[in-house]
Amino acid sequence: QLQLQESGPGLVKPSETLSLTCTVSGGSISSRSYYWGWIRQPPGKGLEWIGSMYYGGSTYYNPSLKSRVTISVDTSKNQLSLKLRSVTAADTGVYYCARDIRDGYNSNFDYWGQGTLVTVSS
Amino acid sequence: SYVLTQPPSVSVAPGKTARITCGGNNIGSKSVHWYQQRPGQAPLLIIYDDNDRPSGIPERFSGSYSGNTATLTINRVEAGDEADYYCQVWDSTSDLVEFGGGTKLTVL
Repeated sequence: QLQLQESGPGLVKPSETLSLTCTVSGGSISSRSYYWGWIRQPPGKGLEWIGSMYYGGSTYYNPSLKSRVTISVDTSKNQLSLKLRSVTAADTGVYYCARDIRDGYNSNFDYWGQGTLVTVSS
Repeated sequence: SYVLTQPPSVSVAPGKTARITCGGNNIGSKSVHWYQQRPGQAPLLIIYDDNDRPSGIPERFSGSYSGNTATLTINRVEAGDEADYYCQVWDSTSDLVEFGGGTKLTVL
């Protein structure tokens, strides 16, 4: 059974960089069939896609966040990473990693991590 | 960007049918996916590619669309169906994943 687990600091100061890791178990992040993505959810609000990456390097980012976001994959550790720079209180929320079934015409997320709450505050 | 519009809330009595809509321009040209999110939990994919169900999702859940609206239908609603529901598409023109604003389903 595929499992995803997010980890990282729960508190980040304004203007600093939010860094999260997603560890994939029960499957390979190097699978040719899948992308891997990050989605976030502000408290009491809806879902917002941040971006998705293929292990071979292809990445897609939400244009609203693209200037501040970097997603990367470490195949040796079977991990996905997220870096979000220059954070503000508006970046507070639960951050999820998920497997992205993407085939050039379609994209949906079939496995999700449990999510990790990140609060931006001084 | 591509906008998906969902009603904020839908209420239904146990045993009845709930319909949650997701409106978008020419949405029929896109594949629509639906997620269920119970309080404090991660989203769960319940419908993909308009009307396919992942393994383990009851047949009570189905998807359809007409015109500019996709619909998630839940038959014989149970108390455990109370959750937030999100529609999602991929806008190929901008390579952007879009979620609807979510609909809170209340079981009366």
